[in-house]
Amino acid sequence: AQSVAQPEDQVNVAEGNPLTVKCTYSVSGNPYLFWYVQYPNRGLQFLLKYITGDNLVKGSYGFEAEFNKSQTSFHLKKPSALVSDSALYFCAVRDSGNQAGTALIFGKGTTLSVSS
Amino acid sequence: DSGVTQTPKHLITATGQRVTLRCSPRSGDLSVYWYQQSLDQGLQFLIQYYNGEERAKGNILERFSAQQFPDLHSELNLSSLELGDSALYFCASSERPMTGRYSYGYTFGSGTRLTVV
Repeated sequence: AQSVAQPEDQVNVAEGNPLTVKCTYSVSGNPYLFWYVQYPNRGLQFLLKYITGDNLVKGSYGFEAEFNKSQTSFHLKKPSALVSDSALYFCAVRDSGNQAGTALIFGKGTTLSVSS
Repeated sequence: DSGVTQTPKHLITATGQRVTLRCSPRSGDLSVYWYQQSLDQGLQFLIQYYNGEERAKGNILERFSAQQFPDLHSELNLSSLELGDSALYFCASSERPMTGRYSYGYTFGSGTRLTVV
């Protein structure tokens, strides 16, 4: 079975500092990995994805994520946080070998709070 | 506007009632996915349809059902509602079943907030 863990319910960081939001996953085959962001009263917005290739993936709004197969992790990072980055972040995974269904499985989410 | 339209945006109903949530996918997308978001359970996958056919089921209760119509819009039917069914219900769409290299992720609608009183 596929699963995603986001070990931190909340991450607090000062504006201008680097941020990391952690994600680990479990799939039986090769993973397809995603990060989404949710602002209050809004749907989820796509940030970036890892399908194959370079382990460092760059996405929207200056975010990037590093795929680490040996640690089964896909942490979200940004070199310099903005107050406007404050939101709820979701990591999601899909097993590339699962042909029966293609649903993404989401972690419980991490609230990022950036203080000025 | 993401291109995925969900109606209604808000719904308040009493326990025991039945409601229908509607989703129109982004133009060209064949797959529709339904998710339930609650504070304690996070974002739970309910069910997926592809081009009118059920493709996968997640944690969907027997009281809940869904369908996708020939015009590709989808409806999620929730019956015998309980207080615990209060949640945000999201619909998402994608171009195809995301097999192989076409795994581009989803586009989400803005959700329907269901409150059961």
